[in-house]
Amino acid sequence: QVHLVQSGGGVVQPGRSLRLSCVASGFSFSKHAMHWVRQTPGKGLEWVAVISDDGSKRYFADSVKGRFTISRDNSKNTLSLQMNSLRLEDTALYYCARDLGPDKDYFDYWGQGTLVTVSS
Amino acid sequence: EVVLTQSPATLSLSPGERAILSCRASQSVHNYLAWYQQKPGQAPRLLIWNALTRATGTPARFSGSGSGTDFTLTISSLQPEDFAVYYCQQRSSWPTFGQGTKVEIK
Repeated sequence: QVHLVQSGGGVVQPGRSLRLSCVASGFSFSKHAMHWVRQTPGKGLEWVAVISDDGSKRYFADSVKGRFTISRDNSKNTLSLQMNSLRLEDTALYYCARDLGPDKDYFDYWGQGTLVTVSS
Repeated sequence: EVVLTQSPATLSLSPGERAILSCRASQSVHNYLAWYQQKPGQAPRLLIWNALTRATGTPARFSGSGSGTDFTLTISSLQPEDFAVYYCQQRSSWPTFGQGTKVEIK
């Protein structure tokens, strides 16, 4: 059974950093691209970043480009999101999500979500 | 950026009724569209991808149709567990989501 268990998150001041993690189980982690998606009551669902199955390709939404980094450790089945220079508008519930398959960019399994609050 | 507009914002129906949800794209997304269901306190769940392909475990009462800019999700006979918020998502360019349609009990 596929599981994505998230950790990290919390309350942080503007300009500071935070790291989110997502541990995968129940599938061949190294065979799937992985994404981060965030959700707010106001803006709804927003795709944040994707990393290819082997970690060689990484893409980001314009809203986080240059501030967020996505990485993975296939030996530990772990996905990470390093968030730097956080802004008030980064406040959201962050989900890690598995890509359905090669070149699909659909999200077939999701983590439980972790809340990030940026506040002074 | 491709903007997805869902309508209606809220759909009030009774169990057993048919639900028809719409998603319109600001430019053609070909058939690269998915539908998700989200219940309170839960992550979204993939229902349909590539406009009409049911994801694993999606009941047959859910069907998707459309191509280009206009898409529809139909729930043939609403079950109590179907009352939720539904989102469309395109992957023709960087992924974007619609703002959601809430299907509520009338």
